[in-house]
Amino acid sequence: AQSVTQLGSHVSVSEGALVLLRCNYSSSVPPYLFWYVQYPNQGLQLLLKYTSAATLVKGINGFEAEFKKSETSFHLTKPSAHMSDAAEYFCAVSDREYGNKLVFGAGTILRVKS
Amino acid sequence: EAQVTQNPRYLITVTGKKLTVTCSQNMNHEYMSWYRQDPGLGLRQIYYSMNVEVTDKGDVPEGYKVSRKEKRNFPLILESPSPNQTSLYFCASRPGGWGSYNEQFFGPGTRLTVL
Repeated sequence: AQSVTQLGSHVSVSEGALVLLRCNYSSSVPPYLFWYVQYPNQGLQLLLKYTSAATLVKGINGFEAEFKKSETSFHLTKPSAHMSDAAEYFCAVSDREYGNKLVFGAGTILRVKS
Repeated sequence: EAQVTQNPRYLITVTGKKLTVTCSQNMNHEYMSWYRQDPGLGLRQIYYSMNVEVTDKGDVPEGYKVSRKEKRNFPLILESPSPNQTSLYFCASRPGGWGSYNEQFFGPGTRLTVL
């Protein structure tokens, strides 16, 4: 079965600093990978997804992620944090054995300090 | 507006009192799914449905039931709720069936407390 590990349940950055949220996956076949964001009291919203095209994927709100097969990683980055980026971020892998259901990581709460 | 709706958004109930959380999508999506979100555990799938009358268990199905009689609706039923089912619940849908890697669209969530 697929699994996802997000390193760091909480990450704190200063406004304007680099955002780096880590995600490692385990998959026996080439995966589809997703990053979702959850703002307080809201549902999840797709930030970006990797589906075996370009390894560097650009998403909404200035976020991007790079698929690195050798490291089984799909880390999320943003060059300059904004206060509005404060939210919880989930990495997910699509499990092809089970109809491409999503398997989520535990989530990382991003705090942005002014 | 294309969306997934859930009702109620907040619910406090007592152990053993049957309840239903409704989920509806207006995007004609084939696939629908229920998740529960617990701190430190992320989202875990409860049940999913590939299409009308086709449902299957996810990772944590115990204590839950679902039905898919119409394409747009996918209610979650707790026949005898227990305190360990206190959680935040999300319904989601996506276009396409078994092999689809389309994104899932999530509802706003239902916060359930079982006393």
